[in-house]
Amino acid sequence: KQEVTQIPAALSVPEGENLVLNCSFTDSAIYNLQWFRQDPGKGLTSLLLIQSSQREQTSGRLNASLDKSSGRSTLYIAASQPGDSATYLCAVRGLGGNKLVFGAGTILRVKS
Amino acid sequence: EAEVAQSPRYKITEKSQAVAFWCDPISGHATLYWYRQILGQGPELLVQFQDESVVDDSQLPKDRFSAERLKGVDSTLKIQPAELGDSAMYLCASSLELGVGAKNIQYFGAGTRLSVL
Repeated sequence: KQEVTQIPAALSVPEGENLVLNCSFTDSAIYNLQWFRQDPGKGLTSLLLIQSSQREQTSGRLNASLDKSSGRSTLYIAASQPGDSATYLCAVRGLGGNKLVFGAGTILRVKS
Repeated sequence: EAEVAQSPRYKITEKSQAVAFWCDPISGHATLYWYRQILGQGPELLVQFQDESVVDDSQLPKDRFSAERLKGVDSTLKIQPAELGDSAMYLCASSLELGVGAKNIQYFGAGTRLSVL
């Protein structure tokens, strides 16, 4: 059974810092991995999707990497801003279908 | 931009009462998903539909939860009777089609937050 773990559970940084969020998964037989953002009391917004054949994806100040063989992914946020404050979730999709397995998330607070 | 619509946004109910949530997926999306997200945890899939058929309901507590998508478009998730442990965010998502591939990227609604007193 796939299990997804995110570290740290919470992170507080001053504005302008670069930061890294970590995601690990137990079964490397994945189709893709996705990073989501969730604002308090809201739904999920997809940030980046990495196919299993890819090593990284970039969107603006965000960069996600994937090391499938070691079961790890990182989300790098450059020059953090208060507006980046949210919960960041990673989710993996197995080879067999559409089911997404989520981690518990990292709560990020960027202080101004 | 097309969105997944959910209602109500918030629901407060007493235990043992019945409660229902509604989801309208993005037009043309054949696959619909219901997730439950307990506070401090990631979403967990409850049920998945392809058109009007259930594809996966292995995590749905069938003694009290039911889900339907009668015409293969919008969907209803019902809980009867509600229990204290059902307090959570219920998220609906939709994708263009089933199976792996770019067309099965899931788009999420804003969710329904349920509080059971």
